[in-house]
Amino acid sequence: EAQVTQNPRYLITVTGKKLTVTCSQNMNHEYMSWYRQDPGLGLRQIYYSMNVEVTDKGDVPEGYKVSRKEKRNFPLILESPSPNQTSLYFCASTPTGGPGEQYFGPGTRLTVT
Amino acid sequence: AQSVTQLGSHVSVSEGALVLLRCNYSSSVPPYLFWYVQYPNQGLQLLLKYTTGATLVKGINGFEAEFKKSETSFHLTKPSAHMSDAAEYFCAVRYSGGYQKVTFGTGTKLQVIP
Repeated sequence: EAQVTQNPRYLITVTGKKLTVTCSQNMNHEYMSWYRQDPGLGLRQIYYSMNVEVTDKGDVPEGYKVSRKEKRNFPLILESPSPNQTSLYFCASTPTGGPGEQYFGPGTRLTVT
Repeated sequence: AQSVTQLGSHVSVSEGALVLLRCNYSSSVPPYLFWYVQYPNQGLQLLLKYTTGATLVKGINGFEAEFKKSETSFHLTKPSAHMSDAAEYFCAVRYSGGYQKVTFGTGTKLQVIP
């Protein structure tokens, strides 16, 4: 089944404790991105990747890191989480050559205390 | 800068009534337009998309949307609401350029009243 997977789905952590949210897609898509969803703000892009080893900042990159060592994987790293990073996070992938529709993972709900 | 406006953060309709969710975008340059649906505790799922050609686009679950260039609108409709349509709906726009150039609206939560 073609899909985007994320792990973990739920995570509660404390301020300053490094964490990684994994994202993997099995559709051979070159383009991947991370979003955060907050009430009233819709989806805001954190980082995106055009291909392996090619990443760039989105609209709200502060406090986040990413890497793209393999085409299928695009982990999101929070080196020192803070309470304002409490949010719902989505990974998405896009097939190139088309209009740009995105395939989303199921989401990771992160709470930083 | 491109922007997307969804009028009404919450919309309530009775079961069987018309669903109308509004979306306006900011530029007269024809964009690519998308509607996504998010069911509780799930990721976003593509409902339909406009690229070029026919301005009335049909999607899944009986939804459709009409691209109106003169009004810079892409409103989502469904003739008869079902309880299962209760979800949050997002309009998104992408202009020519990289795939990162996608802007989402702030979403509209649809409540269906039995």
